[in-house]
This record gives sequence, structure tokens and C-alpha cells, in this order.
Amino acid sequence: DSGVTQTPKHLITATGQRVTLRCSPRSGDLSVYWYQQSLDQGLQFLIQYYNGEERAKGNILERFSAQQFPDLHSELNLSSLELGDSALYFCASSVDPTGIAKNIQYFGAGTRLSVL
Amino acid sequence: KNQVEQSPQSLIILEGKNCTLQCNYTVSPFSNLRWYKQDTGRGPVSLTIMTFSENTKSNGRYTATLDADTKQSSLHITASQLSDSASYICVVSERGYQKVTFGIGTKLQVIP
Repeated sequence: DSGVTQTPKHLITATGQRVTLRCSPRSGDLSVYWYQQSLDQGLQFLIQYYNGEERAKGNILERFSAQQFPDLHSELNLSSLELGDSALYFCASSVDPTGIAKNIQYFGAGTRLSVL
Repeated sequence: KNQVEQSPQSLIILEGKNCTLQCNYTVSPFSNLRWYKQDTGRGPVSLTIMTFSENTKSNGRYTATLDADTKQSSLHITASQLSDSASYICVVSERGYQKVTFGIGTKLQVIP
């Protein structure tokens, strides 16, 4: 158990809909990262937050947004969903505040999103 | 464009045998290279992390090597176990820009 909690585990929805994925980081970790992993594809970094502020941005679509709350949990909002958004979405956390390139990240178990 | 290429794409080995997975990258300037193990349907777990000055790093039966000159890394698994069946992902970070590039992974299957 990595200590990173993601909910829900599975999500099935229809095209055009909006969903919210939730992540609670490990106790004491200030940084949260979101990744997308499509079937047979590598992990794609989406976005990082540190202590409530956006820290780094990757290949995140404009239809997607995220935020980190004062209690450090984070939410990833996906809107106007398309079939191609079906994927595993991982959240990771780390204690190191220097950014995604220099520290060990602990991953959650992921949320499997299916868009029908 | 920064790239991380892993080979082979998939591998099947007998329990108890050794194997080596390869990672070639073009990321520059280089900061560090990590190997992750990802069980099916689970989040990746960090195995090793190496910076420019480190040539080798071990974690139990896993040994990673790095040649920063040729931009190659390998992950050697010794005396494989059934629980080693997973995808192994190479991740390279770019110095100073907080950019991370993930390889697509090598899918390893260890059979009895």
C-alpha cells in the first residue's frame, strides 16, 4: 500500500459527460501529480500541484482541469468526455517540493475510466 | 523531441532465469533516470533512481546500470520469480525544466 488513495476505482460514463476523480496523497506529502495511461500506452504526465498551487503542466487537454485543496487532496475534472479519454488515471504524491524531476513519487492504485 | 525507447516490448522467461531490459533515451539535458515496476492494473512502484554520476544501483534482485555517454540504461533481474511478472517502465527527467518522459514499458512474464 503506497498510502495514496484514489476514488473511485472504476467509473463508467457516456460521451459528453463530466466526471471528477479524487486523490488523497500520503500523509505529509505536499505534491500531487496526475497521469493518464491509455491501453498499451505509456504514462502521460498531466499536471502537478504543490501545496495548493499549480507547479508543472504536461499534456493536459483544455477539457481537463485539476486543483489541490487546503487539506492537500486533489481532484481531476474531465469534461466533454470522448471515447478516447477512456484510460487509467493515476495520482502520485511526493514530499520533495522541488518538482517532478527530482523525487520519488508514490502512486495510487488508479481510477479506470470507461467512456461509452 | 525527447524520447525514451524500451526493448524488448515483451519478454517471457522461465522462473529462476535472469533477464535484462533495455532503455535508450534522447532526453537532454539529463537529470535522472528511474525504473518503475507496474503490476497489471496497479500504480507504478519505484525500483531505482540514478543521477548522471551513478553507473549502477541495486534494489534486491534488481540492478540498474546507466551509461550517460551513450544514453543507455539497463535493468537486470536476477533469479526471476513469478511475482516479477509486470511491466517495467523507464523514466527520464530533464534537468532544470521539470519535464519527465516515460518509456512505454517492457512487459515481462515469468512462467514456472
